[in-house]
Amino acid sequence: EDKVVQSPLSLVVHEGDTVTLNCSYEVTNFRSLLWYKQEKKAPTFLFMLTSSGIEKKSGRLSSILDKKELFSILNITATQTGDSAIYLCAFAYSGAGSYQLTFGKGTKLSVIP
Amino acid sequence: DAGVTQSPTHLIKTRGQQVTLRCSPKSGHDTVSWYQQALGQGPQFIFQYYEEEERQRGNFPDRFSGHQFPNYSSELNVNALWLGDSALYLCASSLGGIGYTFGSGTRLTVV
Repeated sequence: EDKVVQSPLSLVVHEGDTVTLNCSYEVTNFRSLLWYKQEKKAPTFLFMLTSSGIEKKSGRLSSILDKKELFSILNITATQTGDSAIYLCAFAYSGAGSYQLTFGKGTKLSVIP
Repeated sequence: DAGVTQSPTHLIKTRGQQVTLRCSPKSGHDTVSWYQQALGQGPQFIFQYYEEEERQRGNFPDRFSGHQFPNYSSELNVNALWLGDSALYLCASSLGGIGYTFGSGTRLTVV
């Protein structure tokens, strides 16, 4: 059975800290791995990773995928209170000519001043 | 450019009742997927609609059904509601592929 495991499930840090969120997966028909940020309701897209070893960056956020070891990490440097959210990892798999997402449970990040 | 619009935002239903949730996809998108997110869990795939047909389905019972209209909007219907159906229901639209845009969801509470 395909699965995505995120760790830690929750994390409390102080502003300015650097955090690393982990995502491991066991899937068939892997297409891509995606990271989302969920603050209240709608998950918002952060990164999509398809190729192993290539880092994606956006400001203070970065992510990398290791397809051999089946994991991805999301790094956030110089954290701010606005980074407080649930971070979801998902893999996209193909079937019947379309793509679906299987999500992990998420990591709840709390950044305190 | 309007994103994905879901209605209603909140809903309270009694066990055994039926509910219909609605989704208007982002402009230019033709595929609508529905996800259920229980408290403390990640979203779980319910089904996906493309060209007015259910293209793929997750591990959900037949009480969950849907529809897609010619304008690409979609409905999710749940019959014989259980307490366990209480969750945030998310709609995501895309243009065939992975570029999902999520709506803000409908919070369903079954009492």
